[in-house]
Amino acid sequence: DAKTTQPPSMDCAEGRAANLPCNHSTISGNEYVYWYRQIHSQGPQYIIHGLKNNETNEMASLIITEDRKSSTLILPHATLRDTAVYYCIVEFWGTYKYIFGTGTRLKVLA
Amino acid sequence: GAGVSQSPRYKVAKRGQDVALRCDPISGHVSLFWYQQALGQGPEFLTYFQNEAQLDKSGLPSDRFFAERPEGSVSTLKIQRTQQEDSAVYLCASSLGSGGGGLTQYFGPGTRLTVL
Repeated sequence: DAKTTQPPSMDCAEGRAANLPCNHSTISGNEYVYWYRQIHSQGPQYIIHGLKNNETNEMASLIITEDRKSSTLILPHATLRDTAVYYCIVEFWGTYKYIFGTGTRLKVLA
Repeated sequence: GAGVSQSPRYKVAKRGQDVALRCDPISGHVSLFWYQQALGQGPEFLTYFQNEAQLDKSGLPSDRFFAERPEGSVSTLKIQRTQQEDSAVYLCASSLGSGGGGLTQYFGPGTRLTVL
């Protein structure tokens, strides 16, 4: 199963862009990349997903490299409420189960 | 509309007891997933249902773990003869579709199981 690698923690100043990297070098051509975040004691919350192209929604942007071996989640204007653990996930082709990594703990500083 | 709900939110069991954890997916969602999240770790896949059919149970850690979804909606995860290593948060997720990839899963709040 394709695995993901993320830095364990990052800090970001409030109002600045937060750029969270992820490596998924063993991803298959038809496997999607998903990003979720988890705030303490809650279930993971969907942020964005993509296959090959860059994606943007009201929460974030997802940049996927051309070789698909890595991606970056961008929160354009981080707020204190964005403090959470962010998971980069590969959706396993076939049963569509999610393969979670260990996540990045993002702390937004006032 | 309502999201995925799970009950109970917290469960304390004595070692050796059987427990049952319930998941109510979003209405009309075909796919249902169970994950186990140990403290400080990312969630790990346990099992997957497409309607009432259990298509993947490769993540169930032992034969003490059993899941069912008899009518294709509500699901129950049962753990027999609980052990201390079963202590974790059990997450349920559902998605609308059943194939083709790119199926966003919506997670419930989880059930925190503590085995004493």
